[in-house]
Amino acid sequence: SAVISQKPSRDICQRGTSLTIQCQVDSQVTMMFWYRQQPGQSLTLIATANQGSEATYESGFVIDKFPISRPNLTFSTLTVSNMSPEDSSIYLCSVDLQHGDTEAFFGQGTRLTVV
Amino acid sequence: EDQVTQSPEALRLQEGESSSLNCSYTVSGLRGLFWYRQDPGKGPEFLFTLYSAGEEKEKERLKATLTKKESFLHITAPKPEDSATYLCAVQADTSGSRLTFGEGTQLTVNP
Repeated sequence: SAVISQKPSRDICQRGTSLTIQCQVDSQVTMMFWYRQQPGQSLTLIATANQGSEATYESGFVIDKFPISRPNLTFSTLTVSNMSPEDSSIYLCSVDLQHGDTEAFFGQGTRLTVV
Repeated sequence: EDQVTQSPEALRLQEGESSSLNCSYTVSGLRGLFWYRQDPGKGPEFLFTLYSAGEEKEKERLKATLTKKESFLHITAPKPEDSATYLCAVQADTSGSRLTFGEGTQLTVNP
C-alpha cells in the first residue's frame, strides 16, 4: 500500500485568492492524479501529473485555473487559482501502484470552502 | 465514453441483514474495476480490483464479483461499522490510469 499525506486538510478562502494543496507519498510513483469531489457527488479527475513533464488535463479543466507541479517522484502540488464559490469541493490526490495487482490509493483530501 | 452507474443510491440495512450493491459499467475495454469505501470527511479507501468476468474477491464481510456488464458488492451479515459510501470505478484500456467513478451507494447499517 501507499501512505499519502495531503496538506492542508481543510481551508476557508476568500473568492479571488489562490490555494496550493500539497501531496506527499511515502514511495516513488510514476503518476500522481488530482481529483475533485463536489458536495454530494462522486470523484472527477482533474489531471494526471507525471514527473518531468507537463500535467495532462481532463476535459473541462485548464492549466491556468489548476496549475500542477511535480518536482520529484514523491511530491506534487495542485493550485486552485482565482477561486469562486463554485470551487468549493474536496480535492484528492491519488497514486496508482502496480505490483501485479493494480491498486489506486487516495489521500485524505483537502476540503476547500470559498466564501 | 466510459460510464459507471451504481444502484441503489442509498440502502438501509439492519445489522445482520445481507444485501448487494450494483455497479453497471460501459467501457471500451476494461482494464480493471475498482471498489472503494469512503467515510465522511475522508478519502476513498481501496477495497478490491477485479480484472475479468467471473473473478471474485473477498475481504471480511465483503465479496466483489464481476461480469462483462456489471459488478456486485455483496455484504454478508453487515455491522454498523460497515456504514459508508461505497464507490465503484472503472479503468479502461484506452484511458491510461484514469478512473471513472460512479455516484456511489450510501450504506447505513442500523444496530
